[in-house]
Amino acid sequence: QVQLVESGGGVVQPGGSLRLSCAASGFAFSAYGMHWVRQAPGKGLEWVAFIRYDGGNKYYADSVKGRFTISRDNSKNTLSLQMNSLRPDDTAIYYCAKVGYSSSSYTFDHWGQGTLVTVSS
Amino acid sequence: QSALTQPASVSGSPGQSITISCTGTTSDIGGYNFVSWYQQHPGKAPKLIIYDVTDRPSGVSSRFSGSKSGHTASLTISGLQAEDEADYYCTSYTNGGTLKFGGGTKLTVL
Repeated sequence: QVQLVESGGGVVQPGGSLRLSCAASGFAFSAYGMHWVRQAPGKGLEWVAFIRYDGGNKYYADSVKGRFTISRDNSKNTLSLQMNSLRPDDTAIYYCAKVGYSSSSYTFDHWGQGTLVTVSS
Repeated sequence: QSALTQPASVSGSPGQSITISCTGTTSDIGGYNFVSWYQQHPGKAPKLIIYDVTDRPSGVSSRFSGSKSGHTASLTISGLQAEDEADYYCTSYTNGGTLKFGGGTKLTVL
């Protein structure tokens, strides 16, 4: 069955960097687009970034553009999110999510359980 | 990128029907039939319940249905059950290759 397991979260100071990973299994990872979505504590969901199945196209939310970089290694079935210049409002649970069902590539049929990133001094 | 507009909360009694609205603009909901709805229980990851405005993934109850008129999408849950109590989020693809979420609606089953 599809499994998405995030890792790399933790506590980081404002201005610092962190790299999140998402290990995928149970499906043909290289055939599907992938996303990162975040949720601040007690708040709603916010889309962060998308990468096409082959890494060819990448899109970002305005709130992270220029600071975050999404990437993937299809040989290792791994999705990554490099986060630089972190701010306190980046504090959130970060989920990786797999594209599915819709032809739009913006519908998520599976989600990981998330990894918590806390930006605080 | 402002969020789509959802009511903060709705409630209903078991067996009743409720509808959650999700309002956007012509750049998102009004321009594309790529609206999805997710259900999230406390402490859990979201679950897809409606995609492409009206379609249900396999395994999702037929009590959940979606629709769209202009730049407002709606989720209807019929025959409310206690297990439906959760947060619900709409999403829409937008021009420029991005995605918007709604602010979320807390459903309380009385």
